[in-house]
Amino acid sequence: QKEVEQNSGPLSVPEGAIASLNCTYSDRGSQSFFWYRQYSGKSPELIMFIYSNGDKEDGRFTAQLNKASQYVSLLIRDSQPSDSATYLCAVRVIGPKIQGAQKLVFGQGTRLTINP
Amino acid sequence: NAGVTQTPKFQVLKTGQSMTLQCAQDMNHNSMYWYRQDPGMGLRLIYYSASEGTTDKGEVPNGYNVSRLNKREFSLRLESAAPSQTSVYFCASSPTSGRAVGNIQYFGAGTRLSVL
Repeated sequence: QKEVEQNSGPLSVPEGAIASLNCTYSDRGSQSFFWYRQYSGKSPELIMFIYSNGDKEDGRFTAQLNKASQYVSLLIRDSQPSDSATYLCAVRVIGPKIQGAQKLVFGQGTRLTINP
Repeated sequence: NAGVTQTPKFQVLKTGQSMTLQCAQDMNHNSMYWYRQDPGMGLRLIYYSASEGTTDKGEVPNGYNVSRLNKREFSLRLESAAPSQTSVYFCASSPTSGRAVGNIQYFGAGTRLSVL
């Protein structure tokens, strides 16, 4: 089982609808979760991070975390064509003390397409 | 403020050749990372440096070496390139020491490497 799993898609959503992206993780001790957006040929950029159970909202984006189910999701409201990208879920690894470095394990990414 | 700068942007090597990928950050971050990204595989950690003077292996270190030259610079060396090392390489940095949940990684633009 991969440490972080995402549906690779592609996920196709009509413009203006809600896009729902999902991620599951295997390490029950994980505490920090990140969503990165990556446009084709570009580098990942952070959208949101979450570490408490429940919802965290930032503009059109909502991250949801359920530690009991080991599940984190990203909702994009009022989807726009500019939201078309690959979305990477990342989980901070809990393990031997790394003295400050934050090791992240990434899922394979979900490719999202917003159709006008 | 350039953030994380990687050079070169593109490189083609022949099997057995060596090269060094350069990375520099101007954000005064303590920790730096090297990832590779292959289709359908997400980002995989090669090496990281928690702070100046320290380096450690990540998930896929074989065939690579790193040097943390100073706080700003973290280089990745391929001693004898192999076709399996054809990939996109990303350097990232993150700010503080400690285990703050919001210790975010910022990525460079990437180096696209082909080994023939």
